[in-house]
This record gives sequence, C-alpha cells and structure tokens, in this order.
Amino acid sequence: NAGVTQTPKFQVLKTGQSMTLQCAQDMNHNSMYWYRQDPGMGLRLIYYSASEGTTDKGEVPNGYNVSRLNKREFSLRLESAAPSQTSVYFCASRRGERYGYTFGSGTRLTVV
Amino acid sequence: QQQVKQSPQSLIVQKGGIPIINCAYENTAFDYFPWYQQFPGKGPALLIAIRPDVSEKKEGRFTISFNKSAKQFSLHIMDSQPGDSATYFCAARVTSGSRLTFGEGTQLTVNP
Repeated sequence: NAGVTQTPKFQVLKTGQSMTLQCAQDMNHNSMYWYRQDPGMGLRLIYYSASEGTTDKGEVPNGYNVSRLNKREFSLRLESAAPSQTSVYFCASRRGERYGYTFGSGTRLTVV
Repeated sequence: QQQVKQSPQSLIVQKGGIPIINCAYENTAFDYFPWYQQFPGKGPALLIAIRPDVSEKKEGRFTISFNKSAKQFSLHIMDSQPGDSATYFCAARVTSGSRLTFGEGTQLTVNP
C-alpha cells in the first residue's frame, strides 16, 4: 500500500532550468494538492485539484503550473526555476470532505 | 495574510511534561481543525482533529481544546515522550471547501 508517491526525492536546479515534480496516489482519492514548506512559514498551498479534470490556484501559484493527468497523478511544473523556489514540496491527496490529507514524503528542491 | 497563527515556534520539555501548542484563526467559516505531526524527512501525518460543536477531544495522550468564542484551539500532549519530538502543525478548513490552511508549525523537543 504505497499511498502518495513523489519523485524525485531530491533535485538541484540552476536558475532558469525547468523541471516537473511527479505525484501519484493509489488510494482512489478525488482531491490532490501541492504544498511548499519553508522554515517558519508552515505549509503553503500552491495548486490543488478538487477532482479529476479540475485545477485551481492556491496561496502561492506564481511560477508554477500543474497537470491533473488522471485520477492518480498530479504533477507540478517549474518553467523557469528561481532561487526563491528553493523549498520542500509536498503532494497530498484526500478521499472526500470528511477525511484528512495523506501526504507524500516530499521533494527537496534547491535552485542555485 | 496568515489566517491561522501558531505559537510557539519551538518548544522544549522534559519527558513526562505536558507541552501545549496554541493556534488562533480569523475566518469564522472554518469548521474543521486538524493537527498534523511531522517527523524529519517525512510528510505530515494526521494526528487528531476537532469540529467546533465540541470543546475538547482526546485520542490517547493527545487532546485538542477548542474555544469557539475566542477563535482559538490548542494541542496538549500528556506524559510526553522523546518519540513525540517532531514538528506539529495546526490547520483549518471550511468543510464545504477543499483547502487546508496551515499554521507556521511548532518544533517540539522532548528531552529524556
């Protein structure tokens, strides 16, 4: 029972490079989320997908794009990485309104 | 604008002590208040949650106290153990909505 799987676990990018963070869940959850975690700032929502085929902006969407490829997969793309995007990125999923989130183990991204 | 304010940022207690972590919220539409526990290198995991129709909820050594009029809620850990050392996040959500808003996090250290 894998839960929420994120790849890669670590990544170093140069400023201006692009990359896609992958997230997949095997729990048949409807909603999926991307958060970033920075020291002293908690977890801030980047984008979310309430159901397959829909995506919406969160608190800090600038510089990111997302794709809900199917019910299982929700990817986060950085088109032109900036040092301010250095962070730990977490993907999460949720079955429905009365359930908590299940988080992946995170991707630690450094932009130099 | 941080809609959920959490304090303290860090907390050190001795084994057996009762650490208390506090959160305050602004949005009166919030009606679901979970706490998440995060160990180093892992994603947050749901610990306990409360809805505003009750003033207290206990699960094992963990208790949430909720004060609706003050728009505050807190986490108490009874008989704390070194294994409780982790970062704790409070959060809030409108049930009809999809998004969790997190506090800044509290790094708890329980010394042996």
